[in-house]
Amino acid sequence: NAGVTQTPKFQVLKTGQSMTLQCAQDMNHNSMYWYRQDPGMGLRLIYYSASEGTTDKGEVPNGYNVSRLNKREFSLRLESAAPSQTSVYFCASSEVTVDQPQHFGDGTRLSIL
Amino acid sequence: RKEVEQDPGPFNVPEGATVAFNCTYSNSASQSFFWYRQDCRKEPKLLMSVYSSGNEDGRFTAQLNRASQYISLLIRDSKLSDSATYLCVVNPNQGGKLIFGQGTELSVKP
Repeated sequence: NAGVTQTPKFQVLKTGQSMTLQCAQDMNHNSMYWYRQDPGMGLRLIYYSASEGTTDKGEVPNGYNVSRLNKREFSLRLESAAPSQTSVYFCASSEVTVDQPQHFGDGTRLSIL
Repeated sequence: RKEVEQDPGPFNVPEGATVAFNCTYSNSASQSFFWYRQDCRKEPKLLMSVYSSGNEDGRFTAQLNRASQYISLLIRDSKLSDSATYLCVVNPNQGGKLIFGQGTELSVKP
């Protein structure tokens, strides 16, 4: 079972470059999420999509855009990468009901020079 | 005040020890609660959900006290393989979002 799949797993960018992180889930979940994790900061929500066709800002949305392409896919775009966006990015999905946990992809390690 | 606060850690314990992690949350409307485990910056993985009546899964016991807005995780007979960071996670009932604590690191030594 694939679960939540993220691509790429590693990426190095130069300041000002753009890129899109891809996420797909095969669990037929309605909700999908993008987090970043930095040392000492824990997981912080960037954007989420409660259902296909909707997206909302999380705690740290600045510098990012998202697209919920269909029920399976939720992408995160950095339009002009900055060194402060160096982080580990996790995508997650869940059912929308309140008592359901989130399932995570194995992360994208992004370095911006 | 942070929405979810955990013991700062790290906890260094010998094999076989019993260790307890504590967590408090600020939003009294929170509906569901979880403990996740994360190894070496890999993805967080669900360890167990936390129910009002308390629940147990093998060596792991989770407790919830809604009145005190407090969650705990007890690990008995610690194994080397339990070494990880344990994340307290709260669903504040805001569209499926989860709020993660910063995590408590556990290191189990031989």
